[in-house]
Amino acid sequence: SQTIHQWPATLVQPVGSPLSLECTVEGTSNPNLYWYRQAAGRGLQLLFYSVGIGQISSEVPQNLSASRPQDRQFILSSKKLLLSDSGFYLCAWSSPGELFFGEGSRLTVL
Amino acid sequence: GESVGLHLPTLSVQEGDNSIINCAYSNSASDYFIWYKQESGKGPQFIIDIRSNMDKRQGQRVTVLLNKTVKHLSLQIAATQPGDSAVYFCAEKTQAGTALIFGKGTTLSVSS
Repeated sequence: SQTIHQWPATLVQPVGSPLSLECTVEGTSNPNLYWYRQAAGRGLQLLFYSVGIGQISSEVPQNLSASRPQDRQFILSSKKLLLSDSGFYLCAWSSPGELFFGEGSRLTVL
Repeated sequence: GESVGLHLPTLSVQEGDNSIINCAYSNSASDYFIWYKQESGKGPQFIIDIRSNMDKRQGQRVTVLLNKTVKHLSLQIAATQPGDSAVYFCAEKTQAGTALIFGKGTTLSVSS
């Protein structure tokens, strides 16, 4: 069966520090992969999606970036975090249609 | 931006009552819709989906209704239980689209 792993689960970082969130999927090949962000009390905002290795589409302009170095690995990064980057980050993969989410990474930028 | 929204940010019900959570979407090209449940501190979990060639689909204690004429989607939960307390999101996707677009969510609170 397919599983999705996301880490770290929680992270507290100072403003201006770098960020790296990692997501891996097991049990499937060539999945579509996604990064969503959920600010407190808000809905899920699509940040990036990838249909294959090295293929990244950005949905919103920001100081975040994403990379897909391997088929089942998706990384969310920042060189310098802003206070507004705080939130709950969710990685997901999709079969045709349905989206399967990881457990999320809660980022607090101080 | 978001093209899917929910009518009410919060809904409070008594245990045993039926709950109805509503969602309006604006993209008439959307042909696939999903309801997700998100418990505090966790990722969203799939509840039920429906394609645009259907107007009703039933699962275990849940029913999704789709009205394409007015672009409205609803989730009905029968005999609501305290464990149903969570944030519920509707999401839409077009056939050409790659990603699901989510609404802001409705927080369902169930009291005993």
